[in-house]
Amino acid sequence: DGGITQSPKYLFRKEGQNVTLSCEQNLNHDAMYWYRQDPGQGLRLIYYSQIVNDFQKGDIAEGYSVSREKKESFPLTVTSAQKNPTAFYLCASSNGLAGFDEQYFGPGTRLTVT
Amino acid sequence: RKEVEQDPGPFNVPEGATVAFNCTYSNSASQSFFWYRQDCRKEPKLLMSVYSSGNEDGRFTAQLNRASQYISLLIRDSKLSDSATYLCVVNPSSTLGRLYFGRGTQLTVWP
Repeated sequence: DGGITQSPKYLFRKEGQNVTLSCEQNLNHDAMYWYRQDPGQGLRLIYYSQIVNDFQKGDIAEGYSVSREKKESFPLTVTSAQKNPTAFYLCASSNGLAGFDEQYFGPGTRLTVT
Repeated sequence: RKEVEQDPGPFNVPEGATVAFNCTYSNSASQSFFWYRQDCRKEPKLLMSVYSSGNEDGRFTAQLNRASQYISLLIRDSKLSDSATYLCVVNPSSTLGRLYFGRGTQLTVWP
């Protein structure tokens, strides 16, 4: 089955630790995205990548880092510099480079930092 | 001004009712429009794309009004399973490679 996988589903970390969230897709999509969603809030774009070895900052990139070494994979690292890391993190992919196409989401990772 | 604005609701309707959501967007050059559905604590899922001529998928009808810069979603004969948050999504075209999501409109259908 084609789709997007994110792991783990739930993640707990202590404050001050970096943590990496996994996102893998087998849809052969060029573009991949990371969003953050807080309770009662809309999706906010963290980073996106339109092609391998290239990525752009979204609206709230501070405290996060990404890499895009393979077309299938777009891991997100939440660093200790991120002030409020507890949130629901969603990864998405789309086929079109121009961003006109719909995006498909993975099941998300709920990160709790205490 | 936000790229996409939605009435957050909540909308509470009985089964069988017709309900409509509106969404406005700020960039008149926007090219792509979508409605997504998000269930509680789940990922958003594409409900339907919105085309200039309007389009229908079963009980769901989407309309685009470019002159007034708004998108609508009409749900007829509401089912309990329609209870979810509906997200309006726009590509403003001035920024390649990204979509803008509204905060969502919450719908609860009661028996």
